[in-house]
Amino acid sequence: NAGVMQNPRHLVRRRGQEARLRCSPMKGHSHVYWYRQLPEEGLKFMVYLQKENIIDESGMPKERFSAEFPKEGPSILRIQQVVRGDSAAYFCASSPTGWNIQYFGAGTRLSVL
Amino acid sequence: GIQVEQSPPDLILQEGANSTLRCNFSDSVNNLQWFHQNPWGQLINLFYIPSGTKQNGRLSATTVATERYSLLYISSSQTTDSGVYFCAVSGNTPLVFGKGTRLSVIA
Repeated sequence: NAGVMQNPRHLVRRRGQEARLRCSPMKGHSHVYWYRQLPEEGLKFMVYLQKENIIDESGMPKERFSAEFPKEGPSILRIQQVVRGDSAAYFCASSPTGWNIQYFGAGTRLSVL
Repeated sequence: GIQVEQSPPDLILQEGANSTLRCNFSDSVNNLQWFHQNPWGQLINLFYIPSGTKQNGRLSATTVATERYSLLYISSSQTTDSGVYFCAVSGNTPLVFGKGTRLSVIA
């Protein structure tokens, strides 16, 4: 009974490169959420997706960030032209229904050089 | 939006001591979760407790929804309890996290 799987666990990018973070929800969950945690801070909501649909993206930066959750395969959080300020831990969570108990993955730690 | 305040921000305990962490929130919620972020950064689900009381081993939690607060009790603390404890709430909205309580348990 696998939990929420995120990969990679660690990702190093140079300024200007693209970062792709992957999240496979728990079996039977069709709701996925992405959160960002800056150093020494709590988690901040970014985006909520249900299969093929973005439900709430009120926490997503307007530029360079995008997310998808295709019919088949994991959810992807994509950051284009990364900058040093994007360095953070990115967590994915899933739930069986919307806005219900959320189960978190181990996170992807992005470092931008 | 909902505001979440956690107290105390930092706590140092001797191994074996008990502690109470508090989470206040500003609006009615239908989801409240407590998490432990260990020193390796992993976020562990402790409780899903929008109301009532639950216990799991040395940990227990109580949420009084009408008064908008939740308490996390840790008894007989161990060094492995060290880390940051987060409370997160939502009301059919994105989870809003508090800033956490950083707990250090020393042997």
